[in-house]
Amino acid sequence: DAGVIQSPRHEVTEMGQEVTLRCKPISGHDYLFWYRQTMMRGLELLIYFNNNVPIDDSGMPEDRFSAKMPNASFSTLKIQPSEPRDSAVYFCASSFGRRRANYGYTFGSGTRLTVV
Amino acid sequence: GESVGLHLPTLSVQEGDNSIINCAYSNSASDYFIWYKQESGKGPQFIIDIRSNMDKRQGQRVTVLLNKTVKHLSLQIAATQPGDSAVYFCAENRGGYQKVTFGTGTKLQVIP
Repeated sequence: DAGVIQSPRHEVTEMGQEVTLRCKPISGHDYLFWYRQTMMRGLELLIYFNNNVPIDDSGMPEDRFSAKMPNASFSTLKIQPSEPRDSAVYFCASSFGRRRANYGYTFGSGTRLTVV
Repeated sequence: GESVGLHLPTLSVQEGDNSIINCAYSNSASDYFIWYKQESGKGPQFIIDIRSNMDKRQGQRVTVLLNKTVKHLSLQIAATQPGDSAVYFCAENRGGYQKVTFGTGTKLQVIP
């Protein structure tokens, strides 16, 4: 298994531009999570999906952020318009949520976003 | 820009010694806890987990201890190796099985 795959690994964009981050979860996993990591705030949960349906988006900072999961093998996190304070490493993670199973997430390698 | 960042506590240990990393959690309703290891430039990696009906769980070279009375979690690494150098996060489950919240992390430096 290739694990959770994120793209791009690095993204540099100008303020005001649209940014789309992509994630392919592990096949068979039914939960997908988007996290943001910064030095100021550590790891923050932005949103998570179960069976492609958004369950909790209370961590999404504002309306500029949106996430979709059109099918079980793909998710996007979009920022429009981007701002310098969005600069962070964005992680996608997936897990298999069967009761009494291992709930440890598998994280991707992250996308380092820099907004200038 | 950001002028103040998180100051990660740092634990420096000699190679071959045992390491103990501590974590205080805040929610007495949390019933599932996980330790993650994050190496530079990588995503967090699952190490070991424990449920609230247990107070100790052992893995390969790692042991997690849970003290629910004082809401404290610790990760013990036996015979610490240079490859153990990383940031270690504890995470607790809140509000449902699949949603976990991460602590701020502890940086482990292994001195060869």
